[in-house]
Amino acid sequence: AQRVTQPEKLLSVFKGAPVELKCNYSYSGSPELFWYVQYSRQRLQLLLRHISRESIKGFTADLNKGETSFHLKKPFAQEEDSAMYYCALRGEKLVFGKGMKLTVNP
Amino acid sequence: GAGVSQSPSNKVTEKGKDVELRCDPISGHTALYWYRQSLGQGLEFLIYFQGNSAPDKSGLPSDRFSAERTGGSVSTLTIQRTQQEDSAVYLCASSPGGQRGGYTFGSGTRLTVV
Repeated sequence: AQRVTQPEKLLSVFKGAPVELKCNYSYSGSPELFWYVQYSRQRLQLLLRHISRESIKGFTADLNKGETSFHLKKPFAQEEDSAMYYCALRGEKLVFGKGMKLTVNP
Repeated sequence: GAGVSQSPSNKVTEKGKDVELRCDPISGHTALYWYRQSLGQGLEFLIYFQGNSAPDKSGLPSDRFSAERTGGSVSTLTIQRTQQEDSAVYLCASSPGGQRGGYTFGSGTRLTVV
């Protein structure tokens, strides 16, 4: 079975602070992991995927197969990063975690 | 079209009525997914299509829910005898299929059952 766990529902930080959004997964096969973001009143959009190894908007995420984690990190959060963030796993199908709301305060 | 299109964008219906939600994927995308998004529940997988067939229907909440896809393109999600707990945003996403590319989401249909 595939499962994605985002243990925290809410995270509130001040501008310039580092952020880490946690994601753990469960899958017996070779996973493909994604982070999606949904800004207020906008549609869900891809932020990054582990196979690309990109940094988008200053965010990075490293797949740790030993810890079955794919945590999203940014060293200096900006107010415009405030949004819902969803971790997703593609195995036989694409499944999502329950999401985390990030609020970056001025 | 350039993106994934869903209609209607908003639907208010009376309890017990049937509703049909439509998804128009990106042309050429073979994989199509339906999700339900509700407060505190994240994105709940409902069903996905590869071409016109649905390898995994395990997420459909009850037999009141059904979906079809024709011509490898448009998909409709039908909810019969709607209940108040069906109120949510229903999202559709499409993908080129296989291991290529990410998923592009539509803007969703907000369903309210009164």
